[in-house]
Amino acid sequence: VLLLESGGDLVQPGGSLRLSCAASGLTFSTYAMSWVRQAPGKGLEWVSTVSGSGGSTYYADSVKGRFTISRDNSKNTLYLQMNSLRAEDTAVYYCAVWNSNFDPWGQGTLVTVSS
Amino acid sequence: EIVLTQSPATLSLSPGERATLSCRASQSVSSYLVWYQQKPGQAPRLLIYDASNRATGIPARFSGSGSGTDFTLTISSLEPEDFAVYYCQQRSDWPPITFGQGTRLEIK
Repeated sequence: VLLLESGGDLVQPGGSLRLSCAASGLTFSTYAMSWVRQAPGKGLEWVSTVSGSGGSTYYADSVKGRFTISRDNSKNTLYLQMNSLRAEDTAVYYCAVWNSNFDPWGQGTLVTVSS
Repeated sequence: EIVLTQSPATLSLSPGERATLSCRASQSVSSYLVWYQQKPGQAPRLLIYDASNRATGIPARFSGSGSGTDFTLTISSLEPEDFAVYYCQQRSDWPPITFGQGTRLEIK
């Protein structure tokens, strides 16, 4: 299984960004997927999870209403649309397969929110 | 929200020694407790799931125990590659999925 994130960048506060996670080596549509982030020098924070079909989504309170998780099972790709970005959203964002634990993980993509 | 508290924050040991890391939950999580290892510049790696089951490819020196609110990750004899940060995570009552703040295992 390989998960490859992309889309991380430097963005101004209030801006938007879309992260992608391309998956291979698994039957993508059968697995829930998640985003987990890690601020510089800090611990892990769960961000969001989407069911295999995409019909159910879950969010941390810290991102609810600003971030949207989605997936395209025809493309084996997971997305995270991030709007109204804040400085505290600065982190490495990892995608991971969610099967009652996070395994495996991608290598992460860095999002920096700064003016 | 279930809060996970890990102790100690930092553990300084030598190779060959035994490491004992603790994770305490603010309410019972049954056996739905997971441990990860993270090395600098790398993504976390699954070590233990459901409190005591080693993930695929994890050496037998890693073991997990506990249930309810108190959990332990034990490394029986430290190898140089084991020095890293360890996180616990619960899936008993989510959302949210929550992590502990981590224990840094450093070489003494």
